[in-house]
Amino acid sequence: DAMVIQNPRYQVTQFGKPVTLSCSQTLNHNVMYWYQQKSSQAPKLLFHYYDKDFNNEADTPDNFQSRRPNTSFCFLDIRSPGLGDAAMYLCATNRAGEETQYFGPGTRLLVL
Amino acid sequence: AQTVTQSQPEMSVQEAETVTLSCTYDTSESNYYLFWYKQPPSRQMILVIRQEAYKQQNATENRFSVNFQKAAKSFSLKISDSQLGDTAMYFCASLSNFGNEKLTFGTGTRLTIIP
Repeated sequence: DAMVIQNPRYQVTQFGKPVTLSCSQTLNHNVMYWYQQKSSQAPKLLFHYYDKDFNNEADTPDNFQSRRPNTSFCFLDIRSPGLGDAAMYLCATNRAGEETQYFGPGTRLLVL
Repeated sequence: AQTVTQSQPEMSVQEAETVTLSCTYDTSESNYYLFWYKQPPSRQMILVIRQEAYKQQNATENRFSVNFQKAAKSFSLKISDSQLGDTAMYFCASLSNFGNEKLTFGTGTRLTIIP
């Protein structure tokens, strides 16, 4: 089945140690999103790609970077994780011009 | 700018009963979409139902239906014959500004179905 896949599902890292989360999709959607969701809160958009065009939200910390090497894959890099970066990170996709976003299962990040 | 407000942080209902989750929104756009997403505990967010603003007819998906009041900017979700599997966080969301499709989420309602 076509889907959005996130790896790993759980990630533990140390304070200040770089970490990379990955997202892949078989939907062939050209728009991909990264959200941060803290406990019992709404997802917060970090950035999104429209094809290869990168769109950063104004309040996304510089600590967060992203790469999209091809249509199927997108990575979230956290250069120096702090305790406040512990959260669920959600990847979502949609086809440009279509309104429904499809979410992956998320990666839960724990920072020690 | 869009805003979405969910005024019920938590709700609970007996299995098989009907429950309504509230959502209000604000947008200056004339064309927009509204959504209800469900996020079960430790599971991924999935779309429950969506409504196109220019359609007056309320959307329905099996046991899930919406009451869309455009003038009042209200978009409530009704779950009929609730089941244990309906236990989840429910997020109301809006989307406009096509070509830059960014969802605006409400803060969510945690729904618990009691056996």
